[in-house]
Amino acid sequence: DIQMTQSPSSLSTSVGDRVTITCQASQDISNYLNWYQQRPGKAPKLLIYEASNLETGVPSRFSGSGSGTEFTFIISSLQPEDIATYYCQQSDNFPPTFGGGTKVEIK
Amino acid sequence: QVQLQESGPGLVKPSQTLFLTCTVSGDSISSGSYYWNWIRQPAGKGLEWIGRVYTSGSTKYTPSLQSRVTISVDTSKNQFSLKLTFVTAADTAVYYCARGLMVRGLGWFDAWGQGALVTVSS
Repeated sequence: DIQMTQSPSSLSTSVGDRVTITCQASQDISNYLNWYQQRPGKAPKLLIYEASNLETGVPSRFSGSGSGTEFTFIISSLQPEDIATYYCQQSDNFPPTFGGGTKVEIK
Repeated sequence: QVQLQESGPGLVKPSQTLFLTCTVSGDSISSGSYYWNWIRQPAGKGLEWIGRVYTSGSTKYTPSLQSRVTISVDTSKNQFSLKLTFVTAADTAVYYCARGLMVRGLGWFDAWGQGALVTVSS
C-alpha cells in the first residue's frame, strides 16, 4: 500500500492566518491526490481533487498544489468554520489510502 | 443532489457478521459513472477504505479485509451493502458509504453518507 504522511498532525492558529498542510506519498503518485475536510462529528467532504482542482462550491481560500510525492494544501485566510481535520488521499494505486489527518484549531 | 444513507445494526457480537446497507437517492446506482464505496473510521483515528462495487456487481476490496468482506449492489432498490464476517473489537468504527467518481486513476469520493457507528461487543 502507498503510505501517506501528513504534517503537522495538528496546528493552532488565528482567524485570518494562512494555514499550510503538507502530504508526502511513499512513492510517485503523479497528481492523483485529493483533499477532504472533516468537521467534528460529520462525514468528510471533498475539497480538492487531482492535487489542485477545487470542487464545485468550495471557497477559493482553499487551494492545493504538488505532484509526484510532495503536496501542499493551503487555507489562505482561516475562518471559524474551517475548524476541522483535513485528510489527503491518494488515488493512484489500489487500495486508495488516506493520510493520518491534520487537526486545525483556533487559538 | 445525491444523498447517501447508511442503515443497519449498531451493535454486533464478536465473531458474528456485520451488515450495513447504503440507500442512494438523487442519483441512480445504474448510471454507470460512479463506483460505490465503503470507508470506515475508528473513533479518534483516520479513514480506511474497505472496498467498492460497480453497477455491474464487480468489486474490489482492500487486501487486509478481503477474506472477510463482501460488497454487493441492488440496482432495483438503488442500494449497496457491506457484509463483514468474524468481527472483532478492532472492527468497531463509524462506517461511511461514499460515491466515487470514475475518472483518471481511482477517482475521488465526492459524496458521503452521514456515517453509521457499529460497535463490536458482547
